[in-house]
Amino acid sequence: EPEVTQTPSHQVTQMGQEVILRCVPISNHLYFYWYRQILGQKVEFLVSFYNNEISEKSEIFDDQFSVERPDGSNFTLKIRSTKLEDSAMYFCASRDRGYEQYFGPGTRLTVT
Amino acid sequence: DQQVKQNSPSLSVQEGRISILNCDYTNSMFDYFLWYKKYPAEGPTFLISISSIKDKNEDGRFTVFLNKSAKHLSLHIVPSQPGDSAVYFCAASAGKNYGGSQGNLIFGKGTKLSVKP
Repeated sequence: EPEVTQTPSHQVTQMGQEVILRCVPISNHLYFYWYRQILGQKVEFLVSFYNNEISEKSEIFDDQFSVERPDGSNFTLKIRSTKLEDSAMYFCASRDRGYEQYFGPGTRLTVT
Repeated sequence: DQQVKQNSPSLSVQEGRISILNCDYTNSMFDYFLWYKKYPAEGPTFLISISSIKDKNEDGRFTVFLNKSAKHLSLHIVPSQPGDSAVYFCAASAGKNYGGSQGNLIFGKGTKLSVKP
């Protein structure tokens, strides 16, 4: 069964450094998302991406964040200058024309 | 503001019995609701969904009920099994139309279900 994959599974970085989180969505899906979950809190929407552009973003997704679909398979989330409060699990999700989104296993980002 | 609320952080049920997980929402624009199951260190796994034009959807042991007037939905698991032990998230979507370009999900805080043998 097709699945969403994410790399790396765990990323440790120092405050102020740039990180790129990578995702390979399910191949025939059209809509792509990033969510995050800070430890002990709920899953929060960051950004949605469709037809090679951002379609919606939350207040969390400020100028430090960017997304890209550099080729036909990868979908990346970049944080330009990480802060301590960016430490969280980051989940990529994708869907086709239905509502159901399929999530990857997540990347645990630790900012020290 | 909590648009999707799961007021029970945990629930413990005996194997073979029914598990009922509840979810309330405040935004009347939500038109699709989903339940996800999550194990530690894994991503949420889609379980079952329901459109706002329906009041019930069933898939094997899992049934979701929607009461639009009360802005309430529930997930029933019958019979419960130890493998069902996980955190269950209720999520809602307010896409402009079916398959619209938005469709981002608003999640509740989750309910941790423990099914005891």
